[in-house]
Amino acid sequence: DIVMTQSPDSLAVSLGERATINCKSSQSVFYSPNNKNYLAWYQQKPGQPPKLLIYWASTRESGVPDRFSGSGSGTDFTLTISSLQAEDVALYYCQQYYSRPFTFGPGTKVDI
Amino acid sequence: QVQLVQSGAEVKKPGSSVRVSCKASGGTFNSYAISWVRQAPGQGLEWMGGVIPIFGTPSYAQKLQGRVTITADESTSTAYMELSSLRSEDTAVYYCARTVRGLSAASLYYFDYWGQGTLVTVSS
Repeated sequence: DIVMTQSPDSLAVSLGERATINCKSSQSVFYSPNNKNYLAWYQQKPGQPPKLLIYWASTRESGVPDRFSGSGSGTDFTLTISSLQAEDVALYYCQQYYSRPFTFGPGTKVDI
Repeated sequence: QVQLVQSGAEVKKPGSSVRVSCKASGGTFNSYAISWVRQAPGQGLEWMGGVIPIFGTPSYAQKLQGRVTITADESTSTAYMELSSLRSEDTAVYYCARTVRGLSAASLYYFDYWGQGTLVTVSS
């Protein structure tokens, strides 16, 4: 199984400041025939299901504010919130869909 | 808009089985797959398996192989997840998630819409 790790476990950021979350996979999730990284990011607020933010490592889902961006390739990925808003307080998970079982990182809690 | 509506909370005895349903609306059921993801209290997310309705052949996480059955009924746009031989560690919120897929039966990608979740409590 591909093991996903995230850092930090939690972070506190001032309103309007940048938040950066890192995700690392135990093996590459890059598929060279289509030049895609099989990596997604989700946001989960208490009592709610996860919400898709980013897929293919850097493609923002429709309706997601452009302050959210994803980057990285191979085994190392980053989710950046460029200017933290109060509504961004949540848990953030990365997930690989390169091979089954699909696996998630342990989550990063973002607070103000 | 796309909605996935799951069945209600369940309380089950150890050793019994549970079946959770997930009814989809607002999209083309056969153009996607449905996956099931669970989340134990205060814990992270675990993919259990998925099915592409038009192919009908599910795939499961090996950890749950033999205990989980995932099916889909195209006529009602409803997916089901049945988990047997329940133990206390199966206590969790179970989510269905619409899964973007490729052209082949092997191509499951990311989860773009999620159900509201169903709490399954296993307790004697």
